[in-house]
Amino acid sequence: GAVVSQHPSWVICKSGTSVKIECRSLDFQATTMFWYRQFPKQSLMLMATSNEGSKATYEQGVEKDKFLINHASLTLSTLTVTSAHPEDSSFYICSARSLLPYNEQFFGPGTRLTVL
Amino acid sequence: QQQVKQSPQSLIVQKGGISIINCAYENTAFDYFPWYQQFPGKGPALLIAIRPDVSEKKEGRFTISFNKSAKQFSLHIMDSQPGDSATYFCAASMGNQGGKLIFGQGTELSVKP
Repeated sequence: GAVVSQHPSWVICKSGTSVKIECRSLDFQATTMFWYRQFPKQSLMLMATSNEGSKATYEQGVEKDKFLINHASLTLSTLTVTSAHPEDSSFYICSARSLLPYNEQFFGPGTRLTVL
Repeated sequence: QQQVKQSPQSLIVQKGGISIINCAYENTAFDYFPWYQQFPGKGPALLIAIRPDVSEKKEGRFTISFNKSAKQFSLHIMDSQPGDSATYFCAASMGNQGGKLIFGQGTELSVKP
């Protein structure tokens, strides 16, 4: 149980294009999903918290117009990287929070984005 | 005050040995302390977690020791195996912040055969 999927697992795009990453909780409902960014050999950096049916809360320094987050249902959140540039190349990971056990988060497998 | 400090940054252990990773925090409002294991190119996977009302939790070869007064917690991996070679992250969260996790810097563990 408690499986979170991400699609695509990797994507290569040209500079200036937009890329959408999907995060799904497969066997539980997640009222809250989180989006992280991770650079090689570094820790996870929280980008935003996504609550179903409401606007995402972005961490300080994260551009909300660049990283659009939509949490349309209890099992799906999407991250769209708009007008991507090479510096946006990174490993993007989502997590979904289950209500039980307390505060437990389950992570997706990640999406490797490479912007040429 | 929101930081979680993790050490060491890297660790080499012989097969069968004990791997110990330490974390320290400042904010006494943290009430949930999980450990995650991450393999290259994969998302983190929850290993074991503890709440501050207990001092130790054991699951198989993995044990969390928690010292509330010192604001420290550690992960012990007994009988370490080469398959345990991965990056380990400690984290902390507060219930009143909707489960938002604060991660440590990570420890790259290498278990030599």
